[in-house]
Amino acid sequence: DAGITQSPRYKITETGRQVTLMCHQTWSHSYMFWYRQDLGHGLRLIYYSAAADITDKGEVPDGYVVSRSKTENFPLTLESATRSQTSVYFCASRLPPRTGELFFGEGSRLTVL
Amino acid sequence: AQSVSQHNHHVILSEAASLELGCNYSYGGTVNLFWYVQYPGQHLQLLLKYFSGDPLVKGIKGFEAEFIKSKFSFNLRKPSVQWSDTAEYFCAVTDSSGSARQLTFGSGTQLTVLP
Repeated sequence: DAGITQSPRYKITETGRQVTLMCHQTWSHSYMFWYRQDLGHGLRLIYYSAAADITDKGEVPDGYVVSRSKTENFPLTLESATRSQTSVYFCASRLPPRTGELFFGEGSRLTVL
Repeated sequence: AQSVSQHNHHVILSEAASLELGCNYSYGGTVNLFWYVQYPGQHLQLLLKYFSGDPLVKGIKGFEAEFIKSKFSFNLRKPSVQWSDTAEYFCAVTDSSGSARQLTFGSGTQLTVLP
């Protein structure tokens, strides 16, 4: 029962580089989410997806790109990383609407130098 | 837009002390409410949730929360904390209108329980 796996778990990169964080879920949940966790801000939604090929912006989408060609994968790309994108990134998925319960991955800690 | 406030950023307790963490939300409609917990080095997991019915909900590990609609609050409680309860606790709210919207999280409360 793998659930949600994120990779890499830790990443150090430099300003201006492109970085992709991977997220894979084994439950076939239709909804998937990317959050970033920063001290004092809690979790803020970057992007979410209701199904394959359907994505929408969250609270802080600038500087990020997502895609969802398959239900089980939801990669997050930083096209040109900035220091302000240093954060812990969590992928999550959930069952249909109304339940609201999210299942989280273990997080990807990204440092941008 | 909905928002969630957790006024206690860091709470330090001794083992066996009682716990109450505050959570207030702002939203005029019907809401679903959640508490998530993040143990050190781990991912977030659901502690308890409220959708409707009895405003006093019980979750895992002896935690409970009370929904007080008139106060827009959903405070988390535990009668006697343990060292293993050291974690960060997040309150979250989503509207129950049926739209496919995400949760809005509070900024979190770090709980440290001293042995």
